[in-house]
Amino acid sequence: GENVEQHPSTLSVQEGDSAVIKCTYSDSASNYFPWYKQELGKGPQLIIDIRSNVGEKKDQRIAVTLNKTAKHFSLHITETQPEDSAVYFCAAIKSMEYGNKLVFGAGTILRVKS
Amino acid sequence: NAGVTQTPKFRILKIGQSMTLQCTQDMNHNYMYWYRQDPGMGLKLIYYSVGAGITDKGEVPNGYNVSRSTTEDFPLRLELAAPSQTSVYFCASSYSTSGSFTDTQYFGPGTRLTVL
Repeated sequence: GENVEQHPSTLSVQEGDSAVIKCTYSDSASNYFPWYKQELGKGPQLIIDIRSNVGEKKDQRIAVTLNKTAKHFSLHITETQPEDSAVYFCAAIKSMEYGNKLVFGAGTILRVKS
Repeated sequence: NAGVTQTPKFRILKIGQSMTLQCTQDMNHNYMYWYRQDPGMGLKLIYYSVGAGITDKGEVPNGYNVSRSTTEDFPLRLELAAPSQTSVYFCASSYSTSGSFTDTQYFGPGTRLTVL
């Protein structure tokens, strides 16, 4: 079955610096890769996603890149701000009998120091 | 829209007790999901439903039961609570069409459960 590994588990950056979180997946049939942000005491919230027919997607300060050959994808946050501090999860879609389900990475705690 | 709502927010159970975690969504989503999140781990799928009357097991279904009698509600039942079920539980929903491979899920705020 699908397995998603995420690195690093914790990441500290200075405000204004960039942050990069990387994930690898095992199922070459996976074709949808969302990223979720979870703030303290709240549920995960989708921030960006990418499909396997594109290699990069950008939305203001965040971007995601996908390398299908190597089966890895990454989240890039530029000009980090204190409000970017949260737990970030990557995921990959897995097809099941009745539909699709997400397989999540273990998460990355991002701390932005001001 | 309120989105996905969950009750209660916190609960402490004794070993062997039972309880139901409530989940309601007002987005007319057909798919609903229950996840658990243990410290330092990603979310694990417990059960999911593709529509009223249809449910199926996820990765970690043991010790749980679900039902889906309406589109809006997807309660999760814990029978004979055990310490291993101490976790944060998230309900989610999505709108998925046949053959679609995109599945944006919207999560509720979670229920923090402790079993002592």
